[in-house]
Parts: sequence; structure tokens; C-alpha cells
Amino acid sequence: EDQVTQSPEALRLQEGESSSLNCSYTVSGLRGLFWYRQDPGKGPEFLFTLYSAGEEKEKERLKATLTKKESFLHITAPKPEDSATYLCAVRLDTGRRALTFGSGTRLQVQP
Amino acid sequence: NAGVTQTPKFQVLKTGQSMTLQCAQDMNHNSMYWYRQDPGMGLRLIYYSASEGTTDKGEVPNGYNVSRLNKREFSLRLESAAPSQTSVYFCASSEDRATEAFFGQGTRLTVV
Repeated sequence: EDQVTQSPEALRLQEGESSSLNCSYTVSGLRGLFWYRQDPGKGPEFLFTLYSAGEEKEKERLKATLTKKESFLHITAPKPEDSATYLCAVRLDTGRRALTFGSGTRLQVQP
Repeated sequence: NAGVTQTPKFQVLKTGQSMTLQCAQDMNHNSMYWYRQDPGMGLRLIYYSASEGTTDKGEVPNGYNVSRLNKREFSLRLESAAPSQTSVYFCASSEDRATEAFFGQGTRLTVV
């Protein structure tokens, strides 16, 4: 069964304390891995798409990387406004090709 | 551009009542999706439409029906609401099935 697992479930950081979120997947035929940010009461907001192992994408304090079995979202010197739930999703090469989501990591950055 | 617009934003239903959740996108996307989000379970696909005129079941389709009215609009209908359908519902669209999806703001549904 195709699965997407995110860890940790929750993470509390001090402002400026860098860390990484993990998304591991057990799927065959990966057609893309997607990172989203979700604020309370809002819909998920698209951040990055990664298509092949070794690929990296950056946006402000966020950097996403991809290997054959997992992806990392690195947060460098986070600020309180980075507090949100970060969702990982995969799209498969076969079947319906809709996104399959992990349960997310709730990040809290304290000033 | 508004992106993906969902109505209503909040709804309370009694068990057995029916309702339709509306979704419209203005990005000229081909594919549209309905997800539900429950605490600890992430987003789960209910139905999707790869292109105008087609719809397919997702992971949790029981108790729901959908209509792809045209390229812009994709509605989700609950024929006889049950408490287990209390959830936050998100509509999303993508240019095609290979690209990133963009989400609406959600409909918070409570069935009592």
C-alpha cells in the first residue's frame, strides 16, 4: 500500500533555531513530491514540487530536498511567521494521479 | 484572480439532510478535486475530475456524489448527511494531473 509518513508530528523551535521536517514515502512510480503550508482555518498553500532524486528547491528560509525514499524541508533561522502545519504529498505515475497526503508536521516558532 | 472559491464557508446540517458544496476555479485548470480533512488523518481524496465531463472515485467516496458542471465548476453533494461526514472539505484544481494543485479556503461542515 502506498504511504506517506511525516515526522515529527509537532515541532517547537526558538526563533533562529534551524531544523528539518521529514517526509518518507513507500510508493512506486513517483511522479512528483509536493510541499504545502497550511495556516489554521485556511486551505493548503503550495510551496514546492520536486520530481527527481537530488533535486532541491528554495524559497526564503525554506529548502526542500528529495531522495529516492524521502524528502526534507529544511527551515533556516525560522521566524514566528513560519509557524504553520507543513504538508507533504506525492503524485503517482499510475492510476488516478491525485495527490496523496501525509498527516503533516505542526511547526511552532517561538520568539 | 480569485483562484479556487468554495461556498459556503460554514454549514451545520441535521442528520439526514442534504446539501451541495460549490467550487469554482478561474485558472482554466483541467483537473479538479474534493478532499476532506479530519484531525490526525490528513487530507483524503473523495472524488476527482481529470477533465471536463469525467469524474472518478477517490479514497473515501461513500455517501457523496459529484458533478463537473463545466470546466470551472465542480460540486460535491451529500444526499443524506451523517455525523461521520463532519469535517473540513477542500476543493482543489490543477492544470493537469501531473502538476501542483491549488486549494480553496475550505467548507467547515458539522452534522448533528
